[in-house]
Amino acid sequence: SQQGEEDPQALSIQEGENATMNCSYKTSINNLQWYRQNSGRGLVHLILIRSNEREKHSGRLRVTLDTSKKSSSLLITASRAADTASYFCATVLYAGNNRKLIWGLGTSLAVNP
Amino acid sequence: DTAVSQTPKYLVTQMGNDKSIKCEQNLGHDTMYWYKQDSKKFLKIMFSYNNKELIINETVPNRFSPKSPDKAHLNLHINSLELGDSAVYFCASSGTSFRGAFFGQGTRLTVV
Repeated sequence: SQQGEEDPQALSIQEGENATMNCSYKTSINNLQWYRQNSGRGLVHLILIRSNEREKHSGRLRVTLDTSKKSSSLLITASRAADTASYFCATVLYAGNNRKLIWGLGTSLAVNP
Repeated sequence: DTAVSQTPKYLVTQMGNDKSIKCEQNLGHDTMYWYKQDSKKFLKIMFSYNNKELIINETVPNRFSPKSPDKAHLNLHINSLELGDSAVYFCASSGTSFRGAFFGQGTRLTVV
């Protein structure tokens, strides 16, 4: 079955630096979404990019999508300690009335003050 | 107000017991989900309910059964709990176009 794969699995940076996480997938998609999960908490939706979009911005977040390479990247600029969390990508494929949602394993980001 | 709430937050129980986790959403969404997150943080979708009909049912043991009394609730009932069922279970909901899912805070289930 299709699985999103994020890399790196773990990333440790200093506050103020940029963090880049990548996600690859295997089949066609309608959209791709990024989520954040703080330790012990639920997931929070960050940003959605449609299959016909190449780049999207939201505050300090920048997401790119390359459907030819079946990959996406999430860039967090000017990172803060509060950005420490796990980040997941999820691909969505509509099939009739069904929505197939495939999750990656996540990237654990540690931002050191 | 919490958009998606699930209870309990923590659940410790013995092998062989039957337990339920409750989920409620006040967003008016038409689809609700249950996910299992294992120790490696891999999220696996277990069930999806749309207007009280099961539309996605991944290959999970039939000891797990979703129950939806109404559009705003999707409870997860687990029979004969096993050690391998220990995980964090997340409930989520989404609107018609699925522009993003709203997640509950998770229920950490520990089977001893």
